[in-house]
Amino acid sequence: KQEVTQIPAALSVPEGENLVLNCSFTDSAIYNLQWFRQDPGKGLTSLLLIQSSQREQTSGRLNASLDKSSGRSTLYIAASQPGDSATYLCAVNKGNTPLVFGKGTRLSVIA
Amino acid sequence: DAGVIQSPRHEVTEMGQEVTLRCKPISGHDYLFWYRQTMMRGLELLIYFNNNVPIDDSGMPEDRFSAKMPNASFSTLKIQPSEPRDSAVYFCASRLGFSTDTQYFGPGTRLTVL
Repeated sequence: KQEVTQIPAALSVPEGENLVLNCSFTDSAIYNLQWFRQDPGKGLTSLLLIQSSQREQTSGRLNASLDKSSGRSTLYIAASQPGDSATYLCAVNKGNTPLVFGKGTRLSVIA
Repeated sequence: DAGVIQSPRHEVTEMGQEVTLRCKPISGHDYLFWYRQTMMRGLELLIYFNNNVPIDDSGMPEDRFSAKMPNASFSTLKIQPSEPRDSAVYFCASRLGFSTDTQYFGPGTRLTVL
């Protein structure tokens, strides 16, 4: 059974700092890996999707990398801003199976 | 497109009452998912449908939970009878296939069972 772990569970950083969020998964035979953002009281919004044949994806100040062999992904946020404060969730799926989610990292960027 | 629509946004009910949550997926999407989110357990998949047919309901916690998708534009999740431990945020999500498309989530229904 696929398990997804995100460390740390919570992170607080000063504005402007670069930061890395970590995600690990137990079954490396994945099809896609996605990073989502969840604001308090809201649904999840997809940030980046990495297919198994890719190693990274970039969107603005966000960069996600994927190392399938080691079962790890990182989400890099450059020059963090208070508006980046949210919970970030990692999810993977294998073939025609639903996404399996980690519990997320709650990020606070302090002005 | 208006995105995935869920109703109600908030529901407060007393133990033993029937609760019905509703979802309208994005038009054209052929997969629909129901999730439950709690602090302790995170985001859990309850059930998902493909072309209105339930594919996997192994995440449904008990027989008190049931879900239907009578057509491509509507799904319900019903809890009868409700219990305080059912209190959570319930999300509906839809996607087009399992290929490279992402999964789109609704805003969720916050359920409180007293």
